[in-house]
Amino acid sequence: DIQMTQSPSSLSASVGDRVTITCRASQSISSYLNWYQQKPGIAPKLLIYGASSLQSGVPSRFSGSGSGTDFTLTISSLQPEDFATYYCQQSYSTPPYTFGQGTKLEIK
Amino acid sequence: EVQLVESGGGLVKPGGSLRLSCAASGFTFSNAWMSWVRQAPGKGLEWVGRVKSKTDGGTTDYAAPVKGRFTISRDDSKNTLYLQMNSLETEDTAVYYCTTYYYGSGTRRWFDPWGQGTLVTVSS
Repeated sequence: DIQMTQSPSSLSASVGDRVTITCRASQSISSYLNWYQQKPGIAPKLLIYGASSLQSGVPSRFSGSGSGTDFTLTISSLQPEDFATYYCQQSYSTPPYTFGQGTKLEIK
Repeated sequence: EVQLVESGGGLVKPGGSLRLSCAASGFTFSNAWMSWVRQAPGKGLEWVGRVKSKTDGGTTDYAAPVKGRFTISRDDSKNTLYLQMNSLETEDTAVYYCTTYYYGSGTRRWFDPWGQGTLVTVSS
């Protein structure tokens, strides 16, 4: 199975900061990488698919990059509503469709 | 409006069984690949299993921790997805989400939308 590892596990930042979260796959997954945002008590929300394509309705301050095994999610200027937990997920080939362990973004 | 609504969660003893349902609306359910994803309290997301559309074979796949204990099925006439959970263990305690696995061209594969989740607690 493909393992997904995110770093850091948690991150403190301020409104207006630029933030980067990293996700690494245990083997090459081309660009089959998605990012989700989850707020407490609410289902996850798709932000980015195919490593770098922004889902409809997602603010342009979110961006994704990478291919192969190393990927990043960047928030260019943090807004108050962005404080949440972020997960990467690989959709390469057959199941299981594994998720990273999550990165909790907190207010500094 | 696309909507997924889970039901059937609750408290069950170890070794017991429970069946979750997910009612879908706002899209052509019969064409959709559907999945269950769970989240233990304070933990991350864990994919549980998937059922393809009948036109794509209707086959199922499961995560290793639930294989042989959980069964995913669908009733396209009722636009409903099911998760039959048997031989439940305390480690199965989680919020269970129903979600559509969009399988498009190229890298267009993702989980969206999601239901609100239903809590399953396995405890004596």
